Amino acid sequence: NAGVTQTPKFQVLKTGQSMTLQCAQDMNHEYMSWYRQDPGMGLRLIHYSVGAGITDQGEVPNGYNVSRSTTEDFPLRLLSAAPSQTSVYFCASSYRGRVATGELFFGEGSRLTVL
Amino acid sequence: GQQLNQSPQSMFIQEGEDVSMNCTSSSIFNTWLWYKQDPGEGPVLLIALYKAGELTSNGRLTAQFGITRKDSFLNISASIPSDVGIYFCAGQNYGGSQGNLIFGKGTKLSVKP
Repeated sequence: NAGVTQTPKFQVLKTGQSMTLQCAQDMNHEYMSWYRQDPGMGLRLIHYSVGAGITDQGEVPNGYNVSRSTTEDFPLRLLSAAPSQTSVYFCASSYRGRVATGELFFGEGSRLTVL
Repeated sequence: GQQLNQSPQSMFIQEGEDVSMNCTSSSIFNTWLWYKQDPGEGPVLLIALYKAGELTSNGRLTAQFGITRKDSFLNISASIPSDVGIYFCAGQNYGGSQGNLIFGKGTKLSVKP
């Protein structure tokens, strides 16, 4: 099983550029989410989705957009990158019925640097 | 918003030593979880706790859900080099926020052979 696949693994952007981080899962999970990880800050929730066509904001949503057109994919868009968005981004998914158990499956991460 | 205080921030130990880390919150949680992140990887669930006072083991790992529902600890016995990584506690209240997890800032563990 591929599990949760994130692309790209590394990306360097200039301030003001836009890009999309891709996330795909092959486990038929209803729940998908994006976190960012910064040194000394732990993992902070950006956006999440409980099913196709449904998205909602997490703790730090500003500067990011998401959409969920299929169960499998949950892309994260940066419309105008800023240096403050330099971070490691993780996509995570779960069965909706298992969300209550806290069992998230994480991808390997995408390291983004904004110059 | 809810915050978790995880300590210590980092630990440098000798192989074979026991490790203890904990997490506290000003708010109660219905679920406490412990994840481990290996270098260059995403976090992986180690232990989940669902009842106040619950003590759960997974091999050399033991975790407890505090009676007050505001804290949890994780112990690792007889550490080995592959225990190296960042350990995160997480709290969850399933309901209005669809069960989103609140993560601590992590404990970075280094093990000297």
